Amino acid sequence: GENVEQHPSTLSVQEGDSAVIKCTYSDSASNYFPWYKQELGKGPQLIIDIRSNVGEKKDQRIAVTLNKTAKHFSLHITETQPEDSAVYFCAASRGLGAGSYQLTFGKGTKLSVIP
Amino acid sequence: EAQVTQNPRYLITVTGKKLTVTCSQNMNHEYMSWYRQDPGLGLRQIYYSMNVEVTDKGDVPEGYKVSRKEKRNFPLILESPSPNQTSLYFCASSSGGKTQYFGPGTRLLVL
Repeated sequence: GENVEQHPSTLSVQEGDSAVIKCTYSDSASNYFPWYKQELGKGPQLIIDIRSNVGEKKDQRIAVTLNKTAKHFSLHITETQPEDSAVYFCAASRGLGAGSYQLTFGKGTKLSVIP
Repeated sequence: EAQVTQNPRYLITVTGKKLTVTCSQNMNHEYMSWYRQDPGLGLRQIYYSMNVEVTDKGDVPEGYKVSRKEKRNFPLILESPSPNQTSLYFCASSSGGKTQYFGPGTRLLVL
């Protein structure tokens, strides 16, 4: 089955600096790579995703890059703000058919943005 | 409001006492799933369902059962809970290969 490794497990940055979280996956058939943000006491919430036919995707201060050859993808957050502090999870998936996906998650990165 | 709801949010029980955690979504999603979250292990899938009466095992199904008799509901059943099932549980749903929406979580303690 799929195996997703996520690094680092904790990350502290100064407000305004950039943060980068990296993930690798093992199943070359995986074709969907979402990133989730989990705030304290809440369920994970999708912040950005990328599919295997795209190398990079950006949404305001958040970007994700994908290298299918190397089987790794990364989350980049620029101009970090205190409200970016949370646990971030990467995931990888291949389609199950009928438009459904089975996600395998990394172990998470606790990001702390220091004001 | 589009949402996934779980009940109860917190539960303390004893070993061997059957319990059910309910999950309901109001988005008419075909796909529903249960995860458990443990410190240092991230989110691991327990069971998933691609539609009514269609369920399959995830990565950690031992000790759990599910059913999908209606599209909106996907209960998680622990027939004989054990302390190693103490965890934070999340239900999620999605449709058409789009984002999975997660519920608020159920924190379970098995004594």
